[in-house]
Amino acid sequence: DGGITQSPKYLFRKEGQNVTLSCEQNLNHDAMYWYRQDPGQGLRLIYYSQIVNDFQKGDIAEGYSVSREKKESFPLTVTSAQKNPTAFYLCASWESPGGYTFGSGTRLTVV
Amino acid sequence: QKEVEQNSGPLSVPEGAIASLNCTYSDRGSQSFFWYRQYSGKSPELIMSIYSNGDKEDGRFTAQLNKASQYVSLLIRDSQPSDSATYLCAVNPGGGYNKLIFGAGTRLAVHP
Repeated sequence: DGGITQSPKYLFRKEGQNVTLSCEQNLNHDAMYWYRQDPGQGLRLIYYSQIVNDFQKGDIAEGYSVSREKKESFPLTVTSAQKNPTAFYLCASWESPGGYTFGSGTRLTVV
Repeated sequence: QKEVEQNSGPLSVPEGAIASLNCTYSDRGSQSFFWYRQYSGKSPELIMSIYSNGDKEDGRFTAQLNKASQYVSLLIRDSQPSDSATYLCAVNPGGGYNKLIFGAGTRLAVHP
């Protein structure tokens, strides 16, 4: 079945540590997105990519980095510069004209 | 700053009733609109999309769009306890990158 796979489901980060969240899709979609969800807030866009080897900052990119070396993969790294990383992270791809398909999400907690 | 506003709820309705969820948006040039359902601890799933003024029906769900009033709504007929979730309104402001802007969501509780 086609879809988006995010791993791990739960991730714990120590202070000063970089962590990478995986996002893999087999939908053959060009555009991929990373959003962050905090309790009581809407999803906020971190980074997006329209094609391989190209990506742009979203509204809250500070403290995050991404790569897009393959069409299927769009990993997100949460760096030590992100001071409040505890959140639910969602990866999505766009299927015209229907909207986003989301992965199952990664819940990141700072310990 | 482009915004999407939703009442946080909870909206409580009895089983079998019609649930009405509302959303307003600030960018008059927005082109397409989406409703997602999100169960607690899970990722959002697409329920409806709407692109032109008027109503769009899909089973028990009806999406309504009024671009002049910058207002989009979702009606759920014959509400079931399984409909209890948070409903997210999302707006595509255009510009070619399909960067959806999400509201904070309305929590719906359907009680037996």
